[in-house]
Amino acid sequence: DVKVTQSSRYLVKRTGEKVFLECVQDMDHENMFWYRQDPGLGLRLIYFSYDVKMKEKGDIPEGYSVSREKKERFSLILESASTNQTSMYLCASRPGQGFMSSYNEQFFGPGTRLTVL
Amino acid sequence: AQSVTQPDIHITVSEGASLELRCNYSYGATPYLFWYVQSPGQGLQLLLKYFSGDTLVQGIKGFEAEFKRSQSSFNLRKPSVHWSDAAEYFCAVDPNNNDMRFGAGTRLTVKP
Repeated sequence: DVKVTQSSRYLVKRTGEKVFLECVQDMDHENMFWYRQDPGLGLRLIYFSYDVKMKEKGDIPEGYSVSREKKERFSLILESASTNQTSMYLCASRPGQGFMSSYNEQFFGPGTRLTVL
Repeated sequence: AQSVTQPDIHITVSEGASLELRCNYSYGATPYLFWYVQSPGQGLQLLLKYFSGDTLVQGIKGFEAEFKRSQSSFNLRKPSVHWSDAAEYFCAVDPNNNDMRFGAGTRLTVKP
């Protein structure tokens, strides 16, 4: 089974802190994604990565950055946390084009609920 | 604007009753279509997906979905709901085989 793990289930930080959210997948997937989930808004894409060292902005990248130094790990960084970044953060991964039958399916981690005070 | 719409924010059904969750999308071509389920405190689990072919798709946990091109819809159904089906359900589309767009979700409550 594909496993996507996230470093913390719950996190409480203070305004202005630098926050790191870590995501690791064990299936050698090329593609990885970071979403935030808010009530009534569904999931919104923050950043994604098609390969190591590569990153692409999603729909709401402002206030966030990402790092992908190794294929299995994709980190989301809040440079200076603000209260409006209080949310549930979900990481996902997906195989690359070499696995056509499951190319479009994303596999999700359990999420990190971040509270910024 | 391109979008995915789940018109029902919250649905309550009795255990054993049938269920239909609605999903409409507005994209030019037929996108890839998905339904995910999220149990409380969990990540998202794929229920089923549609790429092409038979428009009635079978998924896990007894769910099915029907793609209707003329209505730009991909509604999720289950003939008899179980208490364990209480969760939030997300419809998602991938319009260009590149990235996924999600609806706002429908929260399902199951009455005993």
